[in-house]
Amino acid sequence: GQQLNQSPQSMFIQEGEDVSMNCTSSSIFNTWLWYKQDPGEGPVLLIALYKAGELTSNGRLTAQFGITRKDSFLNISASIPSDVGIYFCAGRDSNYQLIWGAGTKLIIKP
Amino acid sequence: KAGVTQTPRYLIKTRGQQVTLSCSPISGHRSVSWYQQTPGQGLQFLFEYFSETQRNKGNFPGRFSGRQFSNSRSEMNVSTLELGDSALYLCASSLGSTGSSPLHFGNGTRLTVT
Repeated sequence: GQQLNQSPQSMFIQEGEDVSMNCTSSSIFNTWLWYKQDPGEGPVLLIALYKAGELTSNGRLTAQFGITRKDSFLNISASIPSDVGIYFCAGRDSNYQLIWGAGTKLIIKP
Repeated sequence: KAGVTQTPRYLIKTRGQQVTLSCSPISGHRSVSWYQQTPGQGLQFLFEYFSETQRNKGNFPGRFSGRQFSNSRSEMNVSTLELGDSALYLCASSLGSTGSSPLHFGNGTRLTVT
């Protein structure tokens, strides 16, 4: 079956640092979605990418749809305490199935 | 616009019992998907309903079932509960099928099986 590898699994960062996470797939995707989940809540859509090479920003967040259509990354600049949570990527394949990454847990060091 | 509403928020059941969880999608959304989330396992797809028809199904045993009503509200049922069914169950709605538009999630039902 299709595999979607999300890394890193977790990150410990200092407030103010930039953060980068990525997802890679064994097959081509037509859409990449990035979600964030806060404790006790459901995931919330951050950024949707629909075209290879597309670079989209949402405030301090920037995500890119890889040119090979098999990868995507999410960057967070100047992290703040409310950025903690779990970040998920999801990709839609040619059969319109949505495949999910296992998540990247972001923790800010006190 | 109200978001996706899931009830109940928390549930405690014992092994062997059955449970029904409810999901009200965003108004106008016709697709509802269900996911199981356990620590370290990410989101495991259960099934998707679109216009009262099951469109896709994940790799879960037949004890897990669902349905969608004409008003797009959905329920999922788990029969003969096992300890391993303890998880956060998330419902998500979308305008079209999940393959065509982004998902909007509810806050989940936390099921504990003892």
